[in-house]
Amino acid sequence: EAEVAQSPRYKITEKSQAVAFWCDPISGHATLYWYRQILGQGPELLVQFQDESVVDDSQLPKDRFSAERLKGVDSTLKIQPAELGDSAMYLCASSFGPMTEAFFGQGTRLTVV
Amino acid sequence: GENVEQHPSTLSVQEGDSAVIKCTYSDSASNYFPWYKQELGKRPQLIIDIRSNVGEKKDQRIAVTLNKTAKHFSLHITETQPEDSAVYFCAATPWAGGTSYGKLTFGQGTILTVHP
Repeated sequence: EAEVAQSPRYKITEKSQAVAFWCDPISGHATLYWYRQILGQGPELLVQFQDESVVDDSQLPKDRFSAERLKGVDSTLKIQPAELGDSAMYLCASSFGPMTEAFFGQGTRLTVV
Repeated sequence: GENVEQHPSTLSVQEGDSAVIKCTYSDSASNYFPWYKQELGKRPQLIIDIRSNVGEKKDQRIAVTLNKTAKHFSLHITETQPEDSAVYFCAATPWAGGTSYGKLTFGQGTILTVHP
């Protein structure tokens, strides 16, 4: 069964350092989501792509976060510089489009020290 | 933007009892409502979803009801089993069709514990 792939699974970084996460969606999925999930809370959408275009980044802290999906396939989320409050699980999900099931990856657990 | 409120935050039941989790949403344009189950240390997985043209949907022990007028929807689990213990999230997305793209907004989650 096809799955959303994410790497790394775990990342520990020092504050003020740069960190990057990678996501490979299920083949054929045009919509790609990056969510941040703090322990005990629901996933919060950071950025949503439709193919290679950003269609929602209203909750993305653009002074430090950036995301790209250059060829409309895999995607990278970057944080620079990382802050202590960025410690969380970063989840990538993909779907065929609106109103269809979003499939989640295993996530990257980020710890900023 | 859309805001999804979920209640209760924790729910404890005895095996065999029913469990009900409720969500309200703010955007009347929302028309797709999925429910996800997240077991400890695992990824969220879809368990059931409903679209706005349907008032109720059932899949074995799981059912979802939708009241568009009141802007709320609920998850019902009957004959609960210990393996139903997990965090459950509701979500909502508005989609106007065509080239618009719905933002999938999640509730805060409900920790369900089923005691044997």
